[in-house]
This record gives sequence, structure tokens and C-alpha cells, in this order.
Amino acid sequence: QLQLQESGPGLVKPSETLSLTCTVSGGSITNTNDYWGWIRQPPGKGLEWIGSVYYRGNTYYNPSLKSRVAISIDTSRNQFSLKLNSVTAADTAVYSCAKGFSGSSSFDFWGQGTLVTVSS
Amino acid sequence: QSVVTQPPSASGSPGQRVTISCSGGSTNIGSNSVSWYQQLPGTAPKLLIYSTDQRPSGIPDRFSGSKSGTSASLAISGLRSEDEADYYCAAWDNSLSGLAWVFGGGTKLTVL
Repeated sequence: QLQLQESGPGLVKPSETLSLTCTVSGGSITNTNDYWGWIRQPPGKGLEWIGSVYYRGNTYYNPSLKSRVAISIDTSRNQFSLKLNSVTAADTAVYSCAKGFSGSSSFDFWGQGTLVTVSS
Repeated sequence: QSVVTQPPSASGSPGQRVTISCSGGSTNIGSNSVSWYQQLPGTAPKLLIYSTDQRPSGIPDRFSGSKSGTSASLAISGLRSEDEADYYCAAWDNSLSGLAWVFGGGTKLTVL
């Protein structure tokens, strides 16, 4: 069974860079029809897509975050990563990684999520 | 403000059928398939419906999805207490800003 696990600091200072990694186990990150995404959920609010990456490196980002986001993939480690720079308190959220499947246009596997708080 | 809108809340009694709507536009729901997610309190979202009306294995047939034009719907029949959760719709959006996923704002379902 595919599993995704987020890792990274739970506390980031304002103006600094939030960095998270998603480790994929139980399957390969290089399947042609799969893509990998980051989604966040501020406390008490809804889901917001941050961006997605295909194993060849093609990326798609939320237009509202595009200037601050970078998502990369490391096929040798079966991991993909998120960097969000110049963070503010508004970036405080549970950050989740997920697998998307092109054939179904959906996110079919999700990590449990990790809370990142932006505070000094 | 999401480009895909859902009612903030819905409710029903056990055994009833409830429908949750998801309204978008020509660049998202109108031209792409829709997926639905169930999020129980304190847990990660779970895929309920993909490709607008398909259920992953393990999802009971009490859950069904449909689409008409730029709107989609999730129907839950034979409502159970364990269905009390937040529900989100989502779709790709092909706008001038580029290709992007959009989620609805979510609907909190209460089982009375």
C-alpha cells in the first residue's frame, strides 16, 4: 500500500523559508501517470492546492503562491519537496502531500499532514 | 474566495439522502472531471469520487457523483452518523493564469 509521510520543521519564523519533504513508500515516484502535490489547510479553513510536480520535473503552481513556491522531486530518494519563501502568519497551516493520478484527475493517496506554524 | 463554490453546510437525518453541490465555471468543472473528498475530524482527506462519477474500491455505493454543465453534485443516500464530515470538490482549472487545481470551500455535513 502506498504511503506518504511529510517531514520538516513545525515552526518557521516570519520572512523565512518553509521547507518540507514528502517521502513516498510502497511504490515508485516515477510512474508516468502519477503526479505529486502539496495541499495546505489553515486552521478551521478549507483546502488550498499549492502545486504539483511530475517525475520528469514539470511543475504547476497555484497562481496566488507562484512567486514564492518551488516544488522539486528527487527520484533517487523517492521524495519530493516544497519550499515556500517569505512566509507570514497567513501561511500557518497543516501541509499535506498527496499523489495524483492523471487517469482519474484526482488525489488518491494523502499523507497525514503536518502543522507548520509561522511565528517569531 | 474560491472559484469553485460549495454551500458551507448541509444536514440530514439517518437514512435520508443528501446532496452537496459544487458550482464552478467553464474553465474548471465545465471542461474537466470532478473529484470529491471526505475529511473526518482530525484526519487527512480521503478520495470519495474521481472522474466525476467513479468510486474507488472500498467506497460504498451510497456515495455517488454527477455533473451538469458547470456544476457538480455529491449525493449520499442512506445517511449514517459516520458520514458526518467535511466534503470538498475539486477539479483542474485551465485559466489564463495557467493550469491549476481548484478546491471548493468545503461543506460541513451534519447528521441530525
